[in-house]
Amino acid sequence: GENVEQHPSTLSVQEGDSAVIKCTYSDSASNYFPWYKQELGKGPQLIIDIRSNVGEKKDQRIAVTLNKTAKHFSLHITETQPEDSAVYFCAAWLNNDMRFGAGTRLTVKP
Amino acid sequence: KAGVTQTPRYLIKTRGQQVTLSCSPISGHRSVSWYQQTPGQGLQFLFEYFSETQRNKGNFPGRFSGRQFSNSRSEMNVSTLELGDSALYLCASSRGQGGETQYFGPGTRLLVL
Repeated sequence: GENVEQHPSTLSVQEGDSAVIKCTYSDSASNYFPWYKQELGKGPQLIIDIRSNVGEKKDQRIAVTLNKTAKHFSLHITETQPEDSAVYFCAAWLNNDMRFGAGTRLTVKP
Repeated sequence: KAGVTQTPRYLIKTRGQQVTLSCSPISGHRSVSWYQQTPGQGLQFLFEYFSETQRNKGNFPGRFSGRQFSNSRSEMNVSTLELGDSALYLCASSRGQGGETQYFGPGTRLLVL
């Protein structure tokens, strides 16, 4: 069953605004948390990942934060652009397999 | 460096038939994982292969099987297809197993009629 919960399921923002997607996981032993972006007709593309020994990681307009105590991690996209529109998935390495959240459909309105 | 490739990209089969999908990982990657993606169930883990051995298996019936060759290329097979097997089948490769960064291919879209 799903051990990673992702919210919100849909998110609409205006171009230039920030977008935040949150995920929670159930197993405190999980130690690797990637985020993927999936565009229509394509496979998921890794955009950023974080391991449990750090609390935050940033790559240009994208950042991920991890709160191990609360067992949640978040994706932050700043200065959103229309090309950021896609479905975003969080994932957590749990019990020898990767568990994915249900996805967030992000729409950036120009 | 070429990415993960999957063939075929699209496939139409009828119930009861079987199908074989192929995945070529990124050069140097030795682990291949397979996932099923459907609108209702999302991304679900099928199995992982490393050095020609299945290392981990998800909660799917025995109709779903796979293998990995010495060059790390992998195939998955679904026998006795059911309508519910219609999905996007994705493979992902990584250098090693167990929590390594995974890179996905474009997927094979299977439609079972």
